[in-house]
Amino acid sequence: GAGVSQTPSNKVTEKGKYVELRCDPISGHTALYWYRQSLGQGPEFLIYFQGTGAADDSGLPNDRFFAVRPEGSVSTLKIQRTERGDSAVYLCASSQRSTGKTEAFFGQGTRLTVV
Amino acid sequence: SQKIEQNSEALNIQEGKTATLTCNYTNYSPAYLQWYRQDPGRGPVFLLLIRENEKEKRKERLKVTFDTTLKQSLFHITASQPADSATYLCALAPNSGNTPLVFGKGTRLSVIA
Repeated sequence: GAGVSQTPSNKVTEKGKYVELRCDPISGHTALYWYRQSLGQGPEFLIYFQGTGAADDSGLPNDRFFAVRPEGSVSTLKIQRTERGDSAVYLCASSQRSTGKTEAFFGQGTRLTVV
Repeated sequence: SQKIEQNSEALNIQEGKTATLTCNYTNYSPAYLQWYRQDPGRGPVFLLLIRENEKEKRKERLKVTFDTTLKQSLFHITASQPADSATYLCALAPNSGNTPLVFGKGTRLSVIA
């Protein structure tokens, strides 16, 4: 595709449920990033993949959050036992190399609401 | 502690004027600094990147400066237009390695016709 695609665009779930958020990066981009953005805040880093491996997962808030990128392309962010505080927009970005040196391309985000 | 501060949450200016947005950082030594634009309900869109050894970068009506002594970047939009109204995010790469971008909270710019 032409850009980074995230699905679903909106997700409403009940507290305690499990959710999966999908990111389809730009073809050929080896770096993939997940961020979380709350209202009025900037994107907050969660996890970064270089290829298939998680190069940095220091931003994951706790062990309820997990992400995979098994074939080095599509990534899935998984949240177990969701809590109301997990409600936010989850953004995915990809870049050709490290985002420090090159621009990052963001998807439109998945708005997660935990009720 | 490490901080990125964008000095105002909201900035209102008259159409045609120059908008200046500020990004200050503490306890970082970034190799790169980037600016993004974000519209409501959309993901951030890249605007400009500046390296630590560059003082200034321009792109059309946009100009970015980077002062590593002051630990500050300024983002200017000249001849501002209502279509420039958006939130502008400052982001830095903490070092020259493969590290994720760290973002500020953003400044919401409103250009009034």
